[in-house]
Amino acid sequence: GDSVTQMEGPVTLSEEAFLTINCTYTATGYPSLFWYVQYPGEGLQLLLKATKADDKGSNKGFEATYRKETTSFHLEKGSVQVSDSAVYFCALSDPLSTLTFGKGTMLLVSP
Amino acid sequence: DTGVSQDPRHKITKRGQNVTFRCDPISEHNRLYWYRQTLGQGPEFLTYFQNEAQLEKSRLLSDRFSAERPKGSFSTLEIQRTEQGDSAMYLCASSLRTGGFEKLFFGSGTQLSVL
Repeated sequence: GDSVTQMEGPVTLSEEAFLTINCTYTATGYPSLFWYVQYPGEGLQLLLKATKADDKGSNKGFEATYRKETTSFHLEKGSVQVSDSAVYFCALSDPLSTLTFGKGTMLLVSP
Repeated sequence: DTGVSQDPRHKITKRGQNVTFRCDPISEHNRLYWYRQTLGQGPEFLTYFQNEAQLEKSRLLSDRFSAERPKGSFSTLEIQRTEQGDSAMYLCASSLRTGGFEKLFFGSGTQLSVL
């Protein structure tokens, strides 16, 4: 079945550092890929998405590129802020299935 | 748009008791999902409705779990004879499926603790 593997956290960075959170997936079809973010005390929010190979999703300075050849969708941001501290979930969706999430990666950004 | 709301935010119960959670989706969203999230794990799909019809149930949904969505509006998730393994965050999400990409909007969840 479908599965998503993302790097374990927590990832601890200083403000303005470069961020990468790795995500790889296994799927039988041609899934859409997503990054969700969960801020403390809040519900999951869609951060960005990509629906086909080589698409780049971007939002709020974050971006991720759908790499079919490496089955990856790594999340990157050039300069993180303290307000980016949250848990980030990589997820996929096949046309005939519901969202499958990774385990989540906690990001902690210090001033 | 008031977002997806879930009630209660927290529930503590004793093993063997029944509990019921409520989810109010964004109005006019025709799809409603229930997920379960345990500590250190991502959300796991439980079931979903399109309008009032329950279209899919996960193997995770034992016969102690039942979900309803009368009239295609709010939904309830009931757990009978709770077990300690049921302790988790129960998440509800809704979406408007119009073909193409489907965006889910999540509530803040109900945290269940079974003692």
